[in-house]
Formats: sequence, structure tokens, C-alpha cells
Amino acid sequence: NAGVIQTPRHKVTGKGQEATLWCEPISGHSAVFWYRQTIVQGLEFLTYFRNQAPIDDSGMPKERFSAQMPNQSHSTLKIQSTQPQDSAVYLCASSFSSTGDSYEQYFGPGTRLTVL
Amino acid sequence: QQNVQQSPESLIVPEGARTSLNCTFSDSASQYFWWYRQHSGKAPKALMSIFSNGEKEEGRFTIHLNKASLHFSLHIRDSQPSDSALYLCAVSSYQGGRALIFGTGTTVSVSP
Repeated sequence: NAGVIQTPRHKVTGKGQEATLWCEPISGHSAVFWYRQTIVQGLEFLTYFRNQAPIDDSGMPKERFSAQMPNQSHSTLKIQSTQPQDSAVYLCASSFSSTGDSYEQYFGPGTRLTVL
Repeated sequence: QQNVQQSPESLIVPEGARTSLNCTFSDSASQYFWWYRQHSGKAPKALMSIFSNGEKEEGRFTIHLNKASLHFSLHIRDSQPSDSALYLCAVSSYQGGRALIFGTGTTVSVSP
């Protein structure tokens, strides 16, 4: 079990460029979450998929951020027209999912995005 | 809107000592309560969880939950240098789709 895989591990973009971050969840996990972590804001929820369907995107900045999960083995987070304030570590997590209890979320190593 | 706060921000603990970390939340409908630990440069990893009022012990770690007080805590006994990390409390609810709302974190440094 390789755990949650995120690529790339580091990405540097210029202001106004696009950034696409990839996440491969643990096989068998049907819930995928995206978070971002900064020193100032801490760890913030962005969006959540269950069985590939978007469930909650209440944490996503509406204008430039989008996320997709085209199949059960990967999810992408796209940031258009990146701004310096988008610089953060973007973390993907996956878990089992059911209508019952909450399951542990397993985090990937993150993608460190730096916008110059 | 859920608001999760942690205290203290940081602490230094002598090796072998006991320490306590606190977390308060604002949404009384919260159902699931977690502590995650994040070593420097690493991903957060779940340490313990509790889903009903009371206490739960796992090894050197104990978690207390008091929903009426909107408070839960983590107690570490016999602290080890390997316990030095950022500790994050997190809260979720069925209504929230189980997305975790994290606290601001407590940095623990265990001095040998």
C-alpha cells in the first residue's frame, strides 16, 4: 500500500499561470478530500468527493479554483491565474466512506505550491 | 460556521512528563472528534478519535470529550522526544460530509 500519492511534490509558477495538482487515493477508499495548509491560516478544508461525485466545495475559492475526480483512482485540483496568496501546501486525503461513522482520513505528502 | 480553537499555541515538555492539549469547537451538532499529529515536513496522521462523551485511552494517549462544554482534550503521559510535533485537533459532522475542520495547532517540543 503506497498510501495517498500526490504529484508533483513541488511546483513553482509565475503569477497568472495555471497550476494542476494530482492526487491518487488509496485503493478502495471512496472519499477524497482536498485541504491546504499555510503558516497563517493553518489547515483549511477545500473540497470533498464521495464515489467520484462532488459533495462539498464550501472551502473552495469560487473564482479560480476547481476540482475534479474523473475516475476512482485520481483527482485533480486546478488553480487558474495563480496569485502569490495561493502559495501553500496542498494536501489530499482519502478514507472509506459510509453513512455511518467517520473514518480516518489518510493524508498524502502534499504539493508545495509557490507562486512568484 | 464551525470555529475550532486550540490552546496553548506551543509548549515545551520535559521528557517523561505529562502534558495536556485543549480544543474547543463552536457547533454543538459536531459528532466526530479527532487528534492528528504532524511531524515536521510530513503529512498529518491520525492519532486518536472519539465519537461520544467520555474518555478513551490508547497507550500513552488519552482523549476526553465533553460535548456540553464544546471541549475535548488530548493528554500525553511519559512524553518522548518522538512526540515532538504539531498536534491538530479536528471536528466533523455527518451534515458536514465528514470534512474535517481543523484547529490552529499546538506545537509540542519534548526536551531530553
